[in-house]
Formats: sequence, C-alpha cells, structure tokens
Amino acid sequence: EIVLTQSPGTLSLSPGERATLSCRTSQSVSSSYLAWYQQKPGQAPRLLIYDASSRATGIPDRFSGSGSGTDFTLTISRLEPEDFAVYFCQQYDESPRTFGQGTKVEI
Amino acid sequence: QVQLVQSGAEVKKPGASVKVSCKASGYTFSTYAIHWVRQAPGQRLEWMAWINAGNGNTKYSQKFQGRVTITRDTSATTAYMELNSLRSEDTAVYYCTRGNLPIDYWGQGTLVTVSS
Repeated sequence: EIVLTQSPGTLSLSPGERATLSCRTSQSVSSSYLAWYQQKPGQAPRLLIYDASSRATGIPDRFSGSGSGTDFTLTISRLEPEDFAVYFCQQYDESPRTFGQGTKVEI
Repeated sequence: QVQLVQSGAEVKKPGASVKVSCKASGYTFSTYAIHWVRQAPGQRLEWMAWINAGNGNTKYSQKFQGRVTITRDTSATTAYMELNSLRSEDTAVYYCTRGNLPIDYWGQGTLVTVSS
C-alpha cells in the first residue's frame, strides 16, 4: 500500500503568517489523485483540496495545493484564526486509500 | 445540501458485532460511492471499505476482509457498516463518507467503544 508521510508533525505559527505543509508518498500517485483535509477537534474532516491542486467548493483562495509524483504541498498563504487545526493528506490513486498521519497547525 | 447522518455511539464487548448506519440526503444516492473510514485514538485515519451505492459492488481493505460487511438500502438512501469479532483495538470513531474519487463529504462520526 502507498504510505503517506507528512511533515512537520506540528507547525507553530501566528495569524497572518504563511503555512507550508508537506506530504510525501512512498510511490508515485498518478493523475495527482491526492487530497487535503482539515479537521478541528470533535469535528469530521473537511475537504480542502483535491486532485493535488483543485480547491473544493467554498474553500477560500488562501488555501492552495501543489505537487505531483511523490511530493505534494498544502500552502495557507495567510493564516486566519479559524485555520488552526490538523491537516491530513490522502491518496485515492490506489486501493487501499491511505492517509498521512497529520500536521497540527497551532498558534 | 449534502448530509450524511450516522447512528449513535455504541459500547460493545469483545467478540461482539456492531452495525452502524449512515442516512444520506441532499443528492442522488445511487450516483456516489460510500466509503467507511475509522479513526482510532492517536492513530491516523484508516480506510476500511467502499460500496457503489448504485449497483452494490463492494471493495474491502485487506486488513478488514472477512470481518466487515457494508451494505446499502437504496429506497432508504442508507448505507450500513457491520464489523464482527470486535476487539479493543477496534475502539474508534467510524465515519461514513461520500465520494467517487476524492471523498468530499463526511458524516458526523460514530464512536464505537469495545470494552469488557
């Protein structure tokens, strides 16, 4: 199965700063079938980015995704207070679909 | 709007079975797959299985093959996940989710606690 490794584990930033999150896959993800999700405590994950770089409906443009092959990045251009959460990547190229272990963005 | 509403929390003893339901609304049920994903305490999200809500075809993670069964009732726009032979390591929040390629909507989650 494809293993996803996210870094860093925790990102300590302030509102207004830029956040850069990494997701590396153990083998190439074809068609860039990679998604990013945001999860806040006690809530279900929310889709942010799909196909590596397409924003989901209603997602602000401060969120952007990039990458291909085995290296993918989620960038939050200017952190808002509501962006402090855990972020997961997931590949849906091969079964079983697998997730990264998450990056916590904290103040 | 798309909604996936799951059944309530369950407490089960080791060896027992649990069946979680997922009522879908706000879209044409048969046109999207339903995936089940779980999140154990301190662990990463784990994909378990999916069902094509239109034709009922299923695919299971090898890890859960033989222990999990997912079904759907198209007239009720509801999907079900049954997990057998429960053990303490199955304690987790179980999510039903929708998606043909990316998973785009999630239910609120159902906490299943396995404890003697």
